[in-house]
Amino acid sequence: GAGVSQSPSNKVTEKGKDVELRCDPISGHTALYWYRQSLGQGLEFLIYFQGNSAPDKSGLPSDRFSAERTGGSVSTLTIQRTQQEDSAVYLCASSLRLTTSGASTDTQYFGPGTRLTVL
Amino acid sequence: AQSVSQHNHHVILSEAASLELGCNYSYGGTVNLFWYVQYPGQHLQLLLKYFSGDPLVKGIKGFEAEFIKSKFSFNLRKPSVQWSDTAEYFCAVKFGRNDMRFGAGTRLTVKP
Repeated sequence: GAGVSQSPSNKVTEKGKDVELRCDPISGHTALYWYRQSLGQGLEFLIYFQGNSAPDKSGLPSDRFSAERTGGSVSTLTIQRTQQEDSAVYLCASSLRLTTSGASTDTQYFGPGTRLTVL
Repeated sequence: AQSVSQHNHHVILSEAASLELGCNYSYGGTVNLFWYVQYPGQHLQLLLKYFSGDPLVKGIKGFEAEFIKSKFSFNLRKPSVQWSDTAEYFCAVKFGRNDMRFGAGTRLTVKP
């Protein structure tokens, strides 16, 4: 498709269960970001992938959260042993980073998000 | 830690009123600055961005923003709002190579 897609669009789970959220970035985009948007809050940075470099995991709130990006394209965010405070909209974004003499473009294109509800 | 502050949580204006949404950040180094907008039921999308050059940046739909380095600010402006500008607006700052931070957002309601 032309844009960033995410699945599922909605996920309801019980406390303690594991969930996987998927992101398909725009084809050719080397950078991929995961954010969390809680009710009334801004976007909270979770993790960033850039090409084959080691991901920047500095935003992950706990070791229950992990993410991987296979083949430099699709990414999966996994939350283990979900808690009620994990309920939020999880947004994925991708960007095309052109590094020519240090120049880069960082416009991020966002997906529709996955609304996670932990009961 | 670097942070981004948006001063107004909810702004209500009548059509044709002028708009200014504040955004401040806490960092003295080189930054890239963005405003994103989320219309009801739609994805976040880019309004405008500043990387370098002219500190007055023009974006889509008549929006503009001015980077004032001495004030660590990047306020968003529009001379005359329309009902269709009703949305949530997010300021974002990229600190260094990877560190992208968003503000809490400002909800704009424009009354027809």
